[in-house]
Parts: sequence; structure tokens; C-alpha cells
Amino acid sequence: GESVGLHLPTLSVQEGDNSIINCAYSNSASDYFIWYKQESGKGPQFIIDIRSNMDKRQGQRVTVLLNKTVKHLSLQIAATQPGDSAVYFCAETGPNAGNNRKLIWGLGTSLAVNP
Amino acid sequence: NAGVTQTPKFRILKIGQSMTLQCTQDMNHNYMYWYRQDPGMGLKLIYYSVGAGITDKGEVPNGYNVSRSTTEDFPLRLELAAPSQTSVYFCASSMGLRGRITEAFFGQGTRLTVV
Repeated sequence: GESVGLHLPTLSVQEGDNSIINCAYSNSASDYFIWYKQESGKGPQFIIDIRSNMDKRQGQRVTVLLNKTVKHLSLQIAATQPGDSAVYFCAETGPNAGNNRKLIWGLGTSLAVNP
Repeated sequence: NAGVTQTPKFRILKIGQSMTLQCTQDMNHNYMYWYRQDPGMGLKLIYYSVGAGITDKGEVPNGYNVSRSTTEDFPLRLELAAPSQTSVYFCASSMGLRGRITEAFFGQGTRLTVV
């Protein structure tokens, strides 16, 4: 079936290091992916998205990589800061009418930044 | 521009009581969503709407009802509250592009406890 999952439930990094959060998906037809950040007690906040016609997209200190061959998505955060501590979710949507209007969410990875 | 506003922020219900979670957005978004998030878990879609007068079930619709009489408002109704409905509820909206979901904006959540 369709699923979006994360390889690591928790990730601990040192301040200033780069962080890599991974996400696997099983639906090869999925063509739009989003990363969200959720801080404690808050709603998810959009970070970056990517469509399947791309393999890389960069934002401010963040890069999303998409490997369609192995159905893998990653979020790279450069020079990780304490304010990056949060739970990170990947979400996907497919191209078909009906499922292209909603997101399938992964379980989340908790990122802890050590000073 | 307030974005997505949810009320109330917190609520305690007794088993069997009913309540309505309010959600309004001022971004003129067509798509609106209700999710629930249990502790340490990802988001599960309860109901969604792609426009006024149109609603559809998500993954976990049982025990809930929605309506969408205007573009701005998407209330979620809980009938006969049960302890299993203890959760944090998030409302979200998305502009949509050519019939597809795009970046979704989230409210701050409603923390509901059923005792």
C-alpha cells in the first residue's frame, strides 16, 4: 500500500553541524513532496517542497533531495541551530484525482540540537 | 492577515458530550483540512473540503462531522465524545493549484481531552 515513513525517529546533532533527515515512500506515482517542521505545542510549519520533475531544491539553509529510483527523500539543514530543534515530517501526494488533494504524512523525526 | 485561526485552544469534554471546533482562514483558500495528532504520532486526516459545499472523508472520519458553507469556515463537529477522541486537532488550508494541493498552512491546534 501507500506509505510514507522515516528511517530514524530521533536525531541528535551538535550545533553548527549539518543535519540530514530521511524519508522513504512506497508509492512510485507520488509526485509532490513537502517537509514540515513542528515545534512543541505548535502547528506544522512549511519548510520546503519539491515536485517529482526535480531531484534537488534549495531554500534558506535547507535542501531537499529526491531520489525517485529508490523512492527516498531527504532534508538537509546546514549549520544546525538550537531553533531547529523540532519534529520534522515529510508528506506526499499522488497525481490522481482524489488523492492529489490531500497529503499522506510520515511519522516524524525528532531533531535535537545540542549546544 | 491572521492565516488559519482555530478556537478553542483547549477543551475538556465529558464522555457523551458534543462540541464544535471552529476553524476560519482569511487567505481565500479553496482547500481546507482537519487533522488529529495523537502524542508522538503523525497527522491523520479526518475530513477535507475542496470548496464551499464540498466535503469528503479522510482516514479517520468516524465520530466526526463537518460542513463548509463558506470559503472561510470549516467547523468540525464531535458528536458523543469518547476518550479515543482525546487528541490535538489541527485545521489547515491550501490554495490548491490546478486541482492539486499545494503548501498547506496550519492553525495552532485545539487540545481536546475527553474524560
